[in-house]
Amino acid sequence: GIQVEQSPPDLILQEGANSTLRCNFSDSVNNLQWFHQNPWGQLINLFYIPSGTKQNGRLSATTVATERYSLLYISSSQTTDSGVYFCAVAPRAGGTSYGKLTFGQGTILTVHP
Amino acid sequence: DAGVTQSPTHLIKTRGQHVTLRCSPISGHKSVSWYQQVLGQGPQFIFQYYEKEERGRGNFPDRFSARQFPNYSSELNVNALLLGDSALYLCASSFPAGTEVEKLFFGSGTQLSVL
Repeated sequence: GIQVEQSPPDLILQEGANSTLRCNFSDSVNNLQWFHQNPWGQLINLFYIPSGTKQNGRLSATTVATERYSLLYISSSQTTDSGVYFCAVAPRAGGTSYGKLTFGQGTILTVHP
Repeated sequence: DAGVTQSPTHLIKTRGQHVTLRCSPISGHKSVSWYQQVLGQGPQFIFQYYEKEERGRGNFPDRFSARQFPNYSSELNVNALLLGDSALYLCASSFPAGTEVEKLFFGSGTQLSVL
């Protein structure tokens, strides 16, 4: 099956710093989503971005489908950004993914005040 | 509008028992997916239902089963519980329409502990 690798595995920042999280995947995808899991376990959908660039406030994401990677940018980080960030994909070969996503291992982000 | 709701939030069972987890999707969503998240790992796909039909199944044993009801809510059943079934069980719903046809929205999960 498709492989998803996220880096770095851990990231520690001071409030106000910027960061870039990376997601590499092993096959062509037609579905790529970024999620933030807060310390209480809630998974929040940040972006649906199988290709191109999107921005939402301090967060932005870029997926270069031809090179099989996606980047999540967090600017001016806040303590509330702490948690685990997951990239999840579905391979293009499978057609409609019907909600079946393969998740990476996540990046644990800690933002200190 | 209410988000995806799951019940119960926490559950403690003993080995060999059976468990039923419930999920109500966002109003208007017709697709429900189930995921298992073991501590320290990313969620793993278990099942997906769309319009009350199973559309996808992950690599889980037959002890795991699910169904979707006419109102699009869903149940996940696990028989003969093992210690390794202890995990956070997540339900996600989506609305297959428009350009973001498969954007998933997750519930808060059910934390299952098997003793």
